Amino acid sequence: EPEVTQTPSHQVTQMGQEVILRCVPISNHLYFYWYRQILGQKVEFLVSFYNNEISEKSEIFDDQFSVERPDGSNFTLKIRSTKLEDSAMYFCASSEGDLGNQPQHFGDGTRLSIL
Amino acid sequence: AQSVTQLGSHVSVSEGALVLLRCNYSSSVPPYLFWYVQYPNQGLQLLLKYTSAATLVKGINGFEAEFKKSETSFHLTKPSAHMSDAAEYFCAVPGMDTGRRALTFGSGTRLQVQP
Repeated sequence: EPEVTQTPSHQVTQMGQEVILRCVPISNHLYFYWYRQILGQKVEFLVSFYNNEISEKSEIFDDQFSVERPDGSNFTLKIRSTKLEDSAMYFCASSEGDLGNQPQHFGDGTRLSIL
Repeated sequence: AQSVTQLGSHVSVSEGALVLLRCNYSSSVPPYLFWYVQYPNQGLQLLLKYTSAATLVKGINGFEAEFKKSETSFHLTKPSAHMSDAAEYFCAVPGMDTGRRALTFGSGTRLQVQP
């Protein structure tokens, strides 16, 4: 069964450094998402992406964050200047369409640790 | 905006016992609801989805959930727990009423299965 893949599985970065998290969505999916889960807290929506532009974003997704689909397969999340509070598990997801009954398929996540 | 509430952050059952994990949605009836499962060190896997076609929804691994409008609930059940069911379970709803496709997750319920 096709799956969403994320790399790396664990990223350790010094505070203030830039970090790029990578995702390969399922190949025929058109909608892409990033979520994060701070340890012990809820899974929170960050951003969704369709047709090479952001379709919606949450209050968490501020100017420090950006997303890109640099080629036909990758979908990346960049954090420009990381803060301690960015430490979390980051999940990429993709879906075929934007109908509510078309479920989002999640990757295994990247654990980001900011020192 | 749509939201879901999961009662009970931890549930412990004996192997072979009934599993009941609770989820209540906000007062406006959502057209779609989802249950996801997260096994240790893995991403979120779709267990089942409600799409208004049927109030009783069967999912993978023997789980099912019943949509009850009168109780604003979408509780997840399994007749007989297995050790492999130990995981965290999340109820989720898309923000369709605001035009958002992003999922809003409940706070999660960690299921422990005792031998």
